Amino acid sequence: DQQVKQNSPSLSVQEGRISILNCDYTNSMFDYFLWYKKYPAEGPTFLISISSIKDKNEDGRFTVFLNKSAKHLSLHIVPSQPGDSAVYFCAASGTGTASKLTFGTGTRLQVTL
Amino acid sequence: NAGVMQNPRHLVRRRGQEARLRCSPMKGHSHVYWYRQLPEEGLKFMVYLQKENIIDESGMPKERFSAEFPKEGPSILRIQQVVRGDSAAYFCASSPGTEAKNIQYFGAGTRLSVL
Repeated sequence: DQQVKQNSPSLSVQEGRISILNCDYTNSMFDYFLWYKKYPAEGPTFLISISSIKDKNEDGRFTVFLNKSAKHLSLHIVPSQPGDSAVYFCAASGTGTASKLTFGTGTRLQVTL
Repeated sequence: NAGVMQNPRHLVRRRGQEARLRCSPMKGHSHVYWYRQLPEEGLKFMVYLQKENIIDESGMPKERFSAEFPKEGPSILRIQQVVRGDSAAYFCASSPGTEAKNIQYFGAGTRLSVL
């Protein structure tokens, strides 16, 4: 039962353009959402997060949008840079200050020159 | 300001041997989580511990797997009598547990290969 889904296994974007990574979830108890970036042979690195009481959070080139009614969130990266090439994981957690994260299967982003 | 430290980075074991994976959380963090990633999959939660307590072990197989986070020293994930299906990357994460946001910070992982 995949509660967090990233339906696009890969995405290729030209340098300077916008990258949009999507994530859907099914569990309405999730109230906190995070995006992690992962390079090969390294651990996931936290990028940006959003609470369910918000619909947008921005940090530099990264913006996360949350649509609670559609149970959908997206990560926008603009402008995309070659160093952004990595696997991006969406994760969700339930109520409480400390609880497990449920991850999607990841989207591999390739930023081309 | 060291991050989450995991060792060893790579571990090779033969079927039937034991594997011990260690994790030292970030300074000031008292919550530790273990996740497993199989090839081409996302990370799957295994267990969540605080000092000397297991809070949630719902993702950990009932047999052969155990975890601890003693009062002193690192958290240990122990896999007894390893089988080929245990080959995976095992990631540890930590969080302070006191903030409203549950941001978990990950180590570089231990890659377990079972021959």
